[in-house]
Amino acid sequence: ELKVEQNPLFLSMQEGKNYTIYCNYSTTSDRLYWYRQDPGKSLESLFVLLSNGAVKQEGRLMASLDTKARLSTLHITAAVHDLSATYFCAVDVASGSRLTFGEGTQLTVNP
Amino acid sequence: DAGVIQSPRHEVTEMGQEVTLRCKPISGHNSLFWYRQTMMRGLELLIYFNNNVPIDDSGMPEDRFSAKMPNASFSTLKIQPSEPRDSAVYFCASRPLGGKGNQPQHFGDGTRLSIL
Repeated sequence: ELKVEQNPLFLSMQEGKNYTIYCNYSTTSDRLYWYRQDPGKSLESLFVLLSNGAVKQEGRLMASLDTKARLSTLHITAAVHDLSATYFCAVDVASGSRLTFGEGTQLTVNP
Repeated sequence: DAGVIQSPRHEVTEMGQEVTLRCKPISGHNSLFWYRQTMMRGLELLIYFNNNVPIDDSGMPEDRFSAKMPNASFSTLKIQPSEPRDSAVYFCASRPLGGKGNQPQHFGDGTRLSIL
């Protein structure tokens, strides 16, 4: 059974600081997705990572994938309050269909 | 471009009642997914359809749950009879079938279900 673990589950940081969220998974896969969820809202797709060594950046967020280590990271640079949300990674073993989600990392950025 | 549309947004009902959740996928998306989100269990895939055909329903918790997709633009998730432990947020998502997984699943706004 595929397991997806995120670390940390809760993260409180100050504006302007950098931090990294980690996503480990237990089986071979070369497709990983990052989503953002605001409280009471839907999930918004952030990144699609499709191969070993893939790196994608959007604003203050950068995601990477190491399929050999079964690890993805979501790096936050110079955090701002608007980044406060819950971030999920999801691993795919069936071409985008069978997603297994991590527990989510609840990020709070304090002024 | 309209996203995934779910209805109702909120549903409060008494245990034992039938509940029907509805979903309209994004036009042209031929894979549709139903998820349940709770604090205890996180996000769980319940069932998904490709081209209106159920492919994997192993996540459906029990026989009280059923899902249908009568056409490419409509799906329902039904709970009968409902129980308090079914209280959760139910999300529908869709994506184009095929490709190499480079299209993410697009999620609706969810239905917040409370069973009293």
